[in-house]
Amino acid sequence: DAGVIQSPRHEVTEMGQEVTLRCKPISGHDYLFWYRQTMMRGLELLIYFNNNVPIDDSGMPEDRFSAKMPNASFSTLKIQPSEPRDSAVYFCASSFPYAEAFFGQGTRLTVV
Amino acid sequence: GIQVEQSPPDLILQEGANSTLRCNFSDSVNNLQWFHQNPWGQLINLFYIPSGTKQNGRLSATTVATERYSLLYISSSQTTDSGVYFCAVVRGGGGATNKLIFGTGTLLAVQP
Repeated sequence: DAGVIQSPRHEVTEMGQEVTLRCKPISGHDYLFWYRQTMMRGLELLIYFNNNVPIDDSGMPEDRFSAKMPNASFSTLKIQPSEPRDSAVYFCASSFPYAEAFFGQGTRLTVV
Repeated sequence: GIQVEQSPPDLILQEGANSTLRCNFSDSVNNLQWFHQNPWGQLINLFYIPSGTKQNGRLSATTVATERYSLLYISSSQTTDSGVYFCAVVRGGGGATNKLIFGTGTLLAVQP
């Protein structure tokens, strides 16, 4: 397997624009996680899915953030409208139940 | 929620030296992982170690779940070991979830 695949690797957008980050988990993994990494807050869990169903979205910072998992091989994290404080590295990860999690290479988002 | 503390926060080593990184957690865990974030930002899986001891080359890890800590040993350090080392845990016990919670990390710099 190619591992967790995220796209794009880098995204620069203007404040107010919609941003969509994409993730393809490792085939067969039941769990998918979205994390955000910043200098101030470290690595924080935003939301995670089990079998395509959102289980815990308590880490999603605001209503401007939304995540979907329409099928077992694809998930999106959307920010609308984007703000400069959303600038961060966003990671996607996947795992089997209560097992080792594997991370994608991340998307570096810059909102200007 | 569960608290994950890592020490030391920063560490500078000369090439060839050994080091021990520590991770303390505030509750029982079902999962504990060690990651290395390299200077390019990739999160590399080092160990999946909810309990016991494992070794992989110059690295080894020990988790004492009953005393709520884990240790990562790096022997004969190399400049390529530089980066941030994260401990991450999934809380165990009743009502357990699959949320992987990260510590704040140890920043390691290995000098030639």
